[in-house]
Amino acid sequence: EADIYQTPRYLVIGTGKKITLECSQTMGHDKMYWYQQDPGMELHLIHYSYGVNSTEKGDLSSESTVSRIRTEHFPLTLESARPSHTSQYLCASSESGGVDPYGYTFGSGTRLTVV
Amino acid sequence: RKEVEQDPGPFNVPEGATVAFNCTYSNSASQSFFWYRQDCRKEPKLLMSVYSSGNEDGRFTAQLNRASQYISLLIRDSKLSDSATYLCVVRLTSGTYKYIFGTGTRLKVLA
Repeated sequence: EADIYQTPRYLVIGTGKKITLECSQTMGHDKMYWYQQDPGMELHLIHYSYGVNSTEKGDLSSESTVSRIRTEHFPLTLESARPSHTSQYLCASSESGGVDPYGYTFGSGTRLTVV
Repeated sequence: RKEVEQDPGPFNVPEGATVAFNCTYSNSASQSFFWYRQDCRKEPKLLMSVYSSGNEDGRFTAQLNRASQYISLLIRDSKLSDSATYLCVVRLTSGTYKYIFGTGTRLKVLA
């Protein structure tokens, strides 16, 4: 059973459209993350949040933006989609506190194709 | 130099074999270590955390060597279902909750 949900699971959209990828978690985790992963390639952190109203850019430059108005919700928005944005986007969350045996929990991902 | 390095493989092993992967990390103050498993076109899932004293979960054994800054994963009696990419993950120093992922080691268990 997933405690972190991403929608849509698949999205094919035209160039120039605005899109929002949804991510919600029911675990009460303060920390949430967005990763981008191309097929067969490594994960790249593009955004993260340590709590409500906290957002930071990750290690990989991205034209997307995020918001964190509620603890459980961390949507990612692309104002104008381009074919170079075609990728898999994975949302994750983690527990607070110094003891951290559980690492990340990932959502199932959104596979985005921009045509 | 990457912060977390893994041999990408693929490691092709016969069913029943024992296989081991290593992962090196560059930041000596790294605090938490994990092995994740990722199946093709799926999200990564936590396989096991890695503790200083080493830990075992069934056929899987994880070890941490802080002096040499590496972690290892040993899989005994490999099954076809073990075929996947195994990601090494390191959490940096206390106060930051960013996790650094290795590129993964691909394992193929052959019948």
